[in-house]
Amino acid sequence: DTAVSQTPKYLVTQMGNDKSIKCEQNLGHDTMYWYKQDSKKFLKIMFSYNNKELIINETVPNRFSPKSPDKAHLNLHINSLELGDSAVYFCASSQGEDGYTFGSGTRLTVV
Amino acid sequence: AQRVTQPEKLLSVFKGAPVELKCNYSYSGSPELFWYVQYSRQRLQLLLRHISRESIKGFTADLNKGETSFHLKKPFAQEEDSAMYYCALKSMNNFNKFYFGSGTKLNVKP
Repeated sequence: DTAVSQTPKYLVTQMGNDKSIKCEQNLGHDTMYWYKQDSKKFLKIMFSYNNKELIINETVPNRFSPKSPDKAHLNLHINSLELGDSAVYFCASSQGEDGYTFGSGTRLTVV
Repeated sequence: AQRVTQPEKLLSVFKGAPVELKCNYSYSGSPELFWYVQYSRQRLQLLLRHISRESIKGFTADLNKGETSFHLKKPFAQEEDSAMYYCALKSMNNFNKFYFGSGTKLNVKP
């Protein structure tokens, strides 16, 4: 069983489109995150939810909107995609003192 | 402010050579530090955490509070160690937010 699963793994889309990335974890963790890994491999947090509540919202354009229907899911919706949004997006979850468990990533390419 | 610094973007060594990936941090409080590894096109995986004081795949890391460092070491590098390595600091004051360093790419040459 995959602990943190993201779909899709690859996403190629045109500028201006709206797309969503889904994330699900079956670990029973309370906290979920979205990280962006840019072309230089730098990892930066975007959002964090704890029990469906937004607790961290870094400086991210309003075009990015996370949605957490329940504590096992944290989806990322992106409006009006831009070339600069091309990156690998990682979902992660954690509980208490544990480290993060990461998903396998979604490689988004905006053309 | 919390910060994690990995000064080397790329580290190339020959197989069998010792490896040290540097990590320095700044944090007001008792830090909790981790090393994550990302093999080519795979997910990030937890390699080790300082509170466990364990050795994983031959890697060790010691927290040095005086030097605010958490360097990752391995006495004899293997080709399969080639990967991106991220040092991370867990903020106990900010909903367990992790601060990642910029990563070091380790390339072990045959």
